[in-house]
Formats: sequence, C-alpha cells, structure tokens
Amino acid sequence: DAGVTQSPTHLIKTRGQQVTLRCSPKSGHDTVSWYQQALGQGPQFIFQYYEEEERQRGNFPDRFSGHQFPNYSSELNVNALLLGDSALYLCASSLAGRRYEQYFGPGTRLTVT
Amino acid sequence: LAKTTQPISMDSYEGQEVNITCSHNNIATNDYITWYQQFPSQGPRFIIQGYKTKVTNEVASLFIPADRKSSTLSLPRVSLSDTAVYYCLVGAPGLQAGTALIFGKGTTLSVSS
Repeated sequence: DAGVTQSPTHLIKTRGQQVTLRCSPKSGHDTVSWYQQALGQGPQFIFQYYEEEERQRGNFPDRFSGHQFPNYSSELNVNALLLGDSALYLCASSLAGRRYEQYFGPGTRLTVT
Repeated sequence: LAKTTQPISMDSYEGQEVNITCSHNNIATNDYITWYQQFPSQGPRFIIQGYKTKVTNEVASLFIPADRKSSTLSLPRVSLSDTAVYYCLVGAPGLQAGTALIFGKGTTLSVSS
C-alpha cells in the first residue's frame, strides 16, 4: 500500500517565479492538506481539499492556491515567489471524518533565490 | 480552537520512560487530542489519538485526566531512534470544525546513550 507521495523532492526557483508541487494521497484517503514548514518551526497549515473544493484555509496570501483532482491527488501552486517562501512543503492525506489522523508525505524542499 | 502548551525540550537516556505533558485548558467538548512525531527532514507521523482516560498502542500511551485540560504522552523504554520532535494537537476530527489544524513548535526529545 503506497503512502503519500510528493514530487519533486527538491526544487530551486528564482524570486518572482511560479511553482507547482504535486501530491498523491494514501490509498483510500479523500482529503488532502498542505503545510509549509520553515526550519526549526512546526508545520503551518496552508489549506485543505475535499471533494475537489478548498474546505479550510490557513493564514496564507492568495499567491498560494491549490487544486484537487477527481482521483484525490492535489497540486499546490505558489505565484510570485518570495525569498521567505523557501521551506519544506508537506502534503498530508486523511479521511474526511478523521482529519486529525493525517499521513504525511516526505515533503518538497523549495529554495527561492 | 484550543491552544496547546508543551515543553520546548526534554532530555532522556536510553531505556527510560519519557512522559511529555501538553496543556490545553480551553479544550472543547468535541475535541480530540492527537500526537505526532517528526524526524528531521521528514513529514510528521501520527502516533496516537484519544478523547478521554487512557489509550495505548504499540508505540505509546496517552493519558487524559477527567477534566481533559491536559494530556500526557508516555513513551516506554526510549531508544536513540526516539529522538524527534513531538507535537500535541487538539481539535475536532471532522471537516465541519471550521478551524485550521495548528502545529505548535512541539517538544524536542533528545535521547542519549
């Protein structure tokens, strides 16, 4: 049973560019959440998708957007990258009724130069 | 949203039992208590979840007193591989909660030989 997978593993972008990160949830899971984790900090919730709709959103600007596809996979898009967007981006999947039991992927390390 | 408070760091030796306490004074009736473990450069891993009294699995035990204003994660006979950051989360399990999932800074547990 495959767990949560994310791609790419690492990414280097230039300030002002746009980036798309991808996530495939654990088999059987229908809810995907995205987090940003800066070095030395806990994961910060970006947003959560269920039934292809954004259901909850954390305190992140509109530059951060997402999408969930019919097969439950998800994308995170970040526009107009800033140096401060450099972080580990984590995707987590869960079942709708058990959103606190989340299964995390290995993350994508984004570096903005 | 119930705010949580936990120690920033703890030190232990191999073979000892480690208890990490989390305070959540304004926990709501529908809230569950969930603990995650995170190793460096990896996504958090779900450890245990509980609502009241005691929950035990193959990894840890979770003790929750009757007033539910605090909880204690107990790790029996820790080893070097238990060195990680441990996060306590409090919230309702369903999508209807309407609040973001909050990870604090967690407790950094260091196990020495």
